[in-house]
Amino acid sequence: DVLMIQIPLSLPVSLGDQASISCRSSQSIVHSNGNTYLEWYLQKPGQSPKLLIYKVSNRFSGVPDRFSGSGSGTDFTLKISRVEAEDLGVYYCFQGSHVPWTFGGGTKLEIK
Amino acid sequence: QVQLQQPGAELVKPGASVRLSCKTSGYTFTSYWMHWVKLRPGQGFEWIGEINPSNGGTNYNEKFRRKATLTVDKSSSTAYMQLSSLTSEDSAVYYCTMRGTAEGFDYWGQGTTLTVSS
Repeated sequence: DVLMIQIPLSLPVSLGDQASISCRSSQSIVHSNGNTYLEWYLQKPGQSPKLLIYKVSNRFSGVPDRFSGSGSGTDFTLKISRVEAEDLGVYYCFQGSHVPWTFGGGTKLEIK
Repeated sequence: QVQLQQPGAELVKPGASVRLSCKTSGYTFTSYWMHWVKLRPGQGFEWIGEINPSNGGTNYNEKFRRKATLTVDKSSSTAYMQLSSLTSEDSAVYYCTMRGTAEGFDYWGQGTTLTVSS
């Protein structure tokens, strides 16, 4: 199975700060069709996860442009340019390139 | 609008089986594969498997092949996941989710909290 490692586990930030979350896969997650199915999700307390980014760097409909995704191969990053209160929660990376599809362990974004 | 409706909670005894439901509306049920995901506190998310509502074809995470059985009822646009031989390790929140028009899980149910306890 592809292991997805997120760093850090917890990220205390001040509102307005930039935040960066790293996600590293145990092997390349480039699919045989050439696409890289790396996604980012945000789960707020008591809610289902919400899709933020798909295929590494594509923002899902309605996601603010302060969210950006980057990376390739085995190293990926989610950046939030100016953290707002509504951004707090747990962020998960996910790979859908190799079965079984796997999630990272999560990074909790919280107020410093 | 697209909706995936799941019961909020189920309580079952160890050793029993349970069938979790995911009733859909707002789109053509047979158009998109339905996935099931498990979330245990401290364990993170696990992808259980997927089912093609059009023909019932399935793909499973090998870890869950003997535990979970995915089915659909096209007449009611409902997806089901049966979990067998339940233990405390199966206590978790189970979500149905699908990859609709976006290449990601863009629609999620609210999750069913399964508690396995005597």
